[in-house]
Amino acid sequence: AQSVTQLGSHVSVSEGALVLLRCNYSSSVPPYLFWYVQYPNQGLQLLLKYTTGATLVKGINGFEAEFKKSETSFHLTKPSAHMSDAAEYFCAVSGGRNNNAGNMLTFGGGTRLMVKP
Amino acid sequence: GAGVSQSPRYKVAKRGQDVALRCDPISGHVSLFWYQQALGQGPEFLTYFQNEAQLDKSGLPSDRFFAERPEGSVSTLKIQRTQQEDSAVYLCASTTGTHLGEQYFGPGTRLTVT
Repeated sequence: AQSVTQLGSHVSVSEGALVLLRCNYSSSVPPYLFWYVQYPNQGLQLLLKYTTGATLVKGINGFEAEFKKSETSFHLTKPSAHMSDAAEYFCAVSGGRNNNAGNMLTFGGGTRLMVKP
Repeated sequence: GAGVSQSPRYKVAKRGQDVALRCDPISGHVSLFWYQQALGQGPEFLTYFQNEAQLDKSGLPSDRFFAERPEGSVSTLKIQRTQQEDSAVYLCASTTGTHLGEQYFGPGTRLTVT
C-alpha cells in the first residue's frame, strides 16, 4: 500500500521568496515520485519526477525536488516565486517497475500556493 | 500533437440520472487511467486499462460505476443512478504503458449532481 501526505493545504509566499512544498510518502516498494501542478479548470501537468538515479531532480519552471529515502520525503522547492506559480500542487507516488497496476498514481491532498505581490 | 481530451467538460445531472463521460487519449498510448477528484482533494484512482483490457477496477466506488475501452482507444466512464456524492471532477490520463511512462492528463469533466 502507498500513501502521500502533503503538509500544509495552503502556503503563502511573497513574490521572489523561496517556495517550499512538503511531501512525505510511504511505500512498500521502491517508489517513483512525482509533482504535478494544476491550474484552475485545467488538468494536471507534470512538473518533475524521480524514478532512479540522481536524487535531486530538476523540473520545469525552475522547480526542483530531492528524494530523501531516509526521511521518506520528496519536497518541492523553487528559489524565487513568481506570480504565475500560484496554483494547486500535488505530490504523487507509484510503485514503479514493481507495480502490477500499470503504475497507478496515489496522490496527496494537494497544497494551494498563493503568491503575494 | 493533440493531448488527452475529455467531454463534456461540464455535466449537471439530476439525482438518479445516468451519465457517460468520454476520454480520448493520446494516439498510440496503450494505458489509460480514470481518477476521481472531489472538491479540495487530490485525485483518487478509479480504474486502469491496458489496450482494451480493464486490468484494475479496484477504485470504482460502487457497482453503479462502469468503464469500457472496447477498441483500445476511446474510453467511456458511465455512472448509473447518480448520487450527490458522485459530484466531482473525473480525470482521464494516458501513457505509453512502460513503467517509466509519464501520465498525461486531460482537463477533466466536472460532474455536478443536483
